[in-house]
Amino acid sequence: AQKITQTQPGMFVQEKEAVTLDCTYDTSDQSYGLFWYKQPSSGEMIFLIYQGSYDEQNATEGRYSLNFQKARKSANLVISASQLGDSAMYFCAMRGSNDYKLSFGAGTTVTVRA
Amino acid sequence: NAGVMQNPRHLVRRRGQEARLRCSPMKGHSHVYWYRQLPEEGLKFMVYLQKENIIDESGMPKERFSAEFPKEGPSILRIQQVVRGDSAAYFCASSPSLASYNEQFFGPGTRLTVL
Repeated sequence: AQKITQTQPGMFVQEKEAVTLDCTYDTSDQSYGLFWYKQPSSGEMIFLIYQGSYDEQNATEGRYSLNFQKARKSANLVISASQLGDSAMYFCAMRGSNDYKLSFGAGTTVTVRA
Repeated sequence: NAGVMQNPRHLVRRRGQEARLRCSPMKGHSHVYWYRQLPEEGLKFMVYLQKENIIDESGMPKERFSAEFPKEGPSILRIQQVVRGDSAAYFCASSPSLASYNEQFFGPGTRLTVL
């Protein structure tokens, strides 16, 4: 079974600054995938970024980057140059290679201030 | 290429009524997953289906809940005799295969309110 922990229930960040969202995970699988999703106030789930457990480089997608530290079992999301539209709930999730269900953390609410 | 479609987006039911939630996966996707999000919580897996088969329903309550994904038509999540605790957002996701690198594409969700 996979377990995802997001310890920051809410964060404030100034516009144009960077913010790091913490995510730690626990799994006995050797191969797995880590995902981050954004849920704005409208409620939909928007895929942001993916990191495979065997990927040697940290994933990046535009202003999103994933700080993957396998030995520490952490997969923190970094949002650079925050924008007002980044205000949302962010979920970390993972799935084992032989699994099909995503296991989600409790989420972190990010509020970007002008 | 249309994304995952869910309808209705909002559904209000009185206690004891039935709720039917529909999900049309992305074109070419044969794997469908249903998740439930209670207020202020993350999504929790309910059931995984392929066409005409339920593969894993371990996250779905044994009573009152059922799911199907027929050969033709959308996947249906059915909740009979709804109670207030069923009020939640229900998300459907689809993927083309099981490989862990495949993201699951989520629909916009159905927000069920039980009065």
